[in-house]
Amino acid sequence: DTEVTQTPKHLVMGMTNKKSLKCEQHMGHRAMYWYKQKAKKPPELMFVYSYEKLSINESVPSRFSPECPNSSLLNLHLHALQPEDSALYLCASSQYGGGSNTGELFFGEGSRLTVL
Amino acid sequence: GDSVTQMEGPVTLSEEAFLTINCTYTATGYPSLFWYVQYPGEGLQLLLKATKADDKGSNKGFEATYRKETTSFHLEKGSVQVSDSAVYFCALVSGGGADGLTFGKGTHLIIQP
Repeated sequence: DTEVTQTPKHLVMGMTNKKSLKCEQHMGHRAMYWYKQKAKKPPELMFVYSYEKLSINESVPSRFSPECPNSSLLNLHLHALQPEDSALYLCASSQYGGGSNTGELFFGEGSRLTVL
Repeated sequence: GDSVTQMEGPVTLSEEAFLTINCTYTATGYPSLFWYVQYPGEGLQLLLKATKADDKGSNKGFEATYRKETTSFHLEKGSVQVSDSAVYFCALVSGGGADGLTFGKGTHLIIQP
């Protein structure tokens, strides 16, 4: 199994809603990532979990809250989002984290979020 | 800090044409270099990689050579197909990768039949 699975594929939410994005991998990878991608732009790194600990938070607003319940699962909790947060949210994993990251990331297909 | 510069496009070619997408980088130390591809409506996939100078990465008819002297990693394919239409991202990781990948802005490639 070489897949990273993201759910839901599409999400529409209002600015007062609370929702979550989910990501799962069963490759035994020890690092997991959240990226945000706007149309026609490269992915922007949001968070990195390395060995189930948050190792990078790229100054992301607190309305985005990551969670890593175990080494296979990664969640992104969303609350009080703004319309400008509408984007494709990509989850990725890599075999090793921290200083051993080889740069080979496996990406999911993404969750397309629309904030009304 | 690290950076990657690539032509943004869109690049429009006819089927069976030769493809070059230029990529240059700035990095401390000895980075590993990558090309990722994103097909419409999908996430990114690793296309090829090179981890040291003069290495050539290849996959699906695409090739790129790690040129340290010119800090470049240009992507080439001899004969493109309509199915190669996608966005191509050049990327690097350095310093053990603790900070994740640094991406270029992406090149949108359109292949016409």
